[in-house]
Amino acid sequence: DTGVSQDPRHKITKRGQNVTFRCDPISEHNRLYWYRQTLGQGPEFLTYFQNEAQLEKSRLLSDRFSAERPKGSFSTLEIQRTEQGDSAMYLCASSYRQGLSYEQYFGPGTRLTVT
Amino acid sequence: AQSVTQLGSHVSVSEGALVLLRCNYSSSVPPYLFWYVQYPNQGLQLLLKYTSAATLVKGINGFEAEFKKSETSFHLTKPSAHMSDAAEYFCAVSDTGNQFYFGTGTSLTVIP
Repeated sequence: DTGVSQDPRHKITKRGQNVTFRCDPISEHNRLYWYRQTLGQGPEFLTYFQNEAQLEKSRLLSDRFSAERPKGSFSTLEIQRTEQGDSAMYLCASSYRQGLSYEQYFGPGTRLTVT
Repeated sequence: AQSVTQLGSHVSVSEGALVLLRCNYSSSVPPYLFWYVQYPNQGLQLLLKYTSAATLVKGINGFEAEFKKSETSFHLTKPSAHMSDAAEYFCAVSDTGNQFYFGTGTSLTVIP
């Protein structure tokens, strides 16, 4: 397995446009997470899925953000009407239960720049 | 509520010297604790994790961390720094294994 992949790696968009990112998890992992990371900060939890069900969503997540994981495989994160404050690295991670906890494996991220 | 505090946003050590990166956590229940490393323009890689088994946890690349409940700490150490250890390090906490909360990170510089 090649690990978690994300596409695109970089996205530049104009304010007000919609963008969609894709994440392909490790195939046997049933959980998938989305995080946002800004410069000088740690990853900030956005949402996570167990199989196709979206189980938790951050209260900080604007209504402009939506995520899906059809069929419990890949996931997409869409941002509508982008704002300059949305500029960040968007990280995806997948995990499975190993022993007493879930262990996350991160993708390389999608860097979004909103101009 | 869970949170993580990483003391020192930047740490510099000489090659061969001890590496000590500090992490203090806040959690209402016994937590799961993690250290991750991030190299430029890459995702995070798990170094080690604590899941209520042994309090001294050994990870990859010679790193280890000790869970101290009385101090609510989970500091990361390595006896001898290598140039390749220069990176950003993140501590994370989770109580249920569902949501994970990350610290703001510590940038490690290794001086030759």
